[in-house]
Amino acid sequence: DTAVSQTPKYLVTQMGNDKSIKCEQNLGHDTMYWYKQDSKKFLKIMFSYNNKELIINETVPNRFSPKSPDKAHLNLHINSLELGDSAVYFCASSQMGGMNTEAFFGQGTRLTVV
Amino acid sequence: GESVGLHLPTLSVQEGDNSIINCAYSNSASDYFIWYKQESGKGPQFIIDIRSNMDKRQGQRVTVLLNKTVKHLSLQIAATQPGDSAVYFCAEKNDYKLSFGAGTTVTVRA
Repeated sequence: DTAVSQTPKYLVTQMGNDKSIKCEQNLGHDTMYWYKQDSKKFLKIMFSYNNKELIINETVPNRFSPKSPDKAHLNLHINSLELGDSAVYFCASSQMGGMNTEAFFGQGTRLTVV
Repeated sequence: GESVGLHLPTLSVQEGDNSIINCAYSNSASDYFIWYKQESGKGPQFIIDIRSNMDKRQGQRVTVLLNKTVKHLSLQIAATQPGDSAVYFCAEKNDYKLSFGAGTTVTVRA
């Protein structure tokens, strides 16, 4: 019973294409995130959504557009993919309202732009 | 074995020894801290957390220490095992932002 699931696990695409990564959590959390992990393993927050509302946008290019249709889903759409977008993207969720909990992470989506 | 300084990318430790991983966090307003373990090909997994009103918390074979004065966090792993080989991250929470430090790669020598 996966807590945070994201699809696809691997994504190989050409420069200039548009692609989407989907994320779903079944933990009932109110906050979801997207992180980008580069080749040096550095985890950088991209977006944070609380109750479907965008809370944090960490100077991510406009080509990246998150969408949260409901509290359990946070999808990431990327337009005009560039070589530098190649990375592992992680979705996560946590409960921010009331007592904080740790963030639970998905398995990651390895995006390779060729 | 121990990692020192602001950030040390790698730590090599003999099986059975204790490991200490250090982390400096950036925001004095952060109120919640978490250590994560990331194995190859997987997402980060929760190890232990600590709130800002505490300075020490113990789990199974792990202890987290928090020094707010110098904004320093450490993770101690007792009797390190081969399965402890992974990348370890500290994370700090402030409002709706959970920010990660640079990871430390721990390698356990048999």
